[in-house]
Parts: sequence; structure tokens; C-alpha cells
Amino acid sequence: GAGVSQSPSNKVTEKGKDVELRCDPISGHTALYWYRQRLGQGLEFLIYFQGNSAPDKSGLPSDRFSAERTGESVSTLTIQRTQQEDSAVYLCASSPGTGGEPQHFGDGTRLSIL
Amino acid sequence: AQSVTQLDSHVSVSEGTPVLLRCNYSSSYSPSLFWYVQHPNKGLQLLLKYTSAATLVKGINGFEAEFKKSETSFHLTKPSAHMSDAAEYFCVVSDPSGTYKYIFGTGTRLKVLA
Repeated sequence: GAGVSQSPSNKVTEKGKDVELRCDPISGHTALYWYRQRLGQGLEFLIYFQGNSAPDKSGLPSDRFSAERTGESVSTLTIQRTQQEDSAVYLCASSPGTGGEPQHFGDGTRLSIL
Repeated sequence: AQSVTQLDSHVSVSEGTPVLLRCNYSSSYSPSLFWYVQHPNKGLQLLLKYTSAATLVKGINGFEAEFKKSETSFHLTKPSAHMSDAAEYFCVVSDPSGTYKYIFGTGTRLKVLA
């Protein structure tokens, strides 16, 4: 596709359930980022993938959060045993992977934990 | 270390009047700088980017920004605000030398009054 695609666009789940969020980056983009955006706040970096290198997981808030990426394509962000504080919009972005190029964002997944 | 400061969390202007959204950065390198806009329930859309070419950068929707190294600023302007400009705006800095970090400002919410 032409842009970054995220699914689902909305997810409502009960506290304690696991959720999986998906991101399809722009074809050819080697770099992929996940961010969390709480209501009315800025972007919080979660994790970064670059090609086949080991991901930078330094932004993951707890061991309940994990992410995978298959080569230079789809990525999934998994949150286990969800808590109410996990409620947020989760944004995915991709970029060509060369320094200084802008990121391209998906529309995000709005996650609500009941 | 790089950092970005957006000096105003909220800005209100009347329709048809100029817009000024302020951004200061700190970087050890010659940075790449970006402005993004986020409309409600949407991802971030790139408005414009500076990557060490012309210091006055023109973007989409009539926005422009001027890179001033002496003032370490990258303020976003538009001559005449439109109602559709009401959104959240983020200033972002990245290191063009090859690292992947994008540092986001905390955002400025622009309100346009009729």
C-alpha cells in the first residue's frame, strides 16, 4: 500500500486479556517504530526495528509488552495481561532507515481497557 | 544529546490571522528537523522537513519554517490561519549522521477561532 497501515483501528478489551496490534510499513522501509500516545500527551517511544539488527526495546514500559517484526515487513506489538493504564493510542511509523529522513505514520490503534 | 522544546502547549488565533508555533532544539550535530500535524483520531502527517539545504522550508497547506542555527530555532509559521488548521503540531529532531532516534517535542495545540 501507499502508506503505513495499522490494525485494528480500535480495540476494546477487558483488563487481564492479551492484545495484539499489527503494523504494515511502507514497502522498502527498513526502519519501523512503535510509539504510545496517552490522551492529550505527546509520543512515547516504545521500540525500534532496523532491518535484521537486534531491536531497540529500551522504551518498552514492562515485560508485559513485546514486539516482533518479520524481516522488513509486518510488525506486531503484543500486550499481555492488559491493565487500565495501557489504554492509549499505539502508533506505528516507518522510515527508509537512512539518517535524517522523515517517518511516516499510520493512523494508530486506539486501545481501551475496561 | 538532542532535545526539542515547544515553547507553547496551546496557541489560539483568529481565522485569517498569522500562525506562529515555536520550536527550539539542542543538537550536537547538524540536525534534521521536521514538523508534523496530528488531527483528531489520526496519525501524524509530515508538514515539512529541514535537511541542511535551504534554511527557509516550505511545506504543505501553506506552512513554512525557518531554520536559524544561531538561535537554535525552527519555528513554524503560516500567513493566514484556516479553521482546518486546528490540530496538534509536533516539532521533531533527528540526527542525520546515522542514528535512528527521533526526538519529539511535547506538542502545541492550535485553536482557530471563527
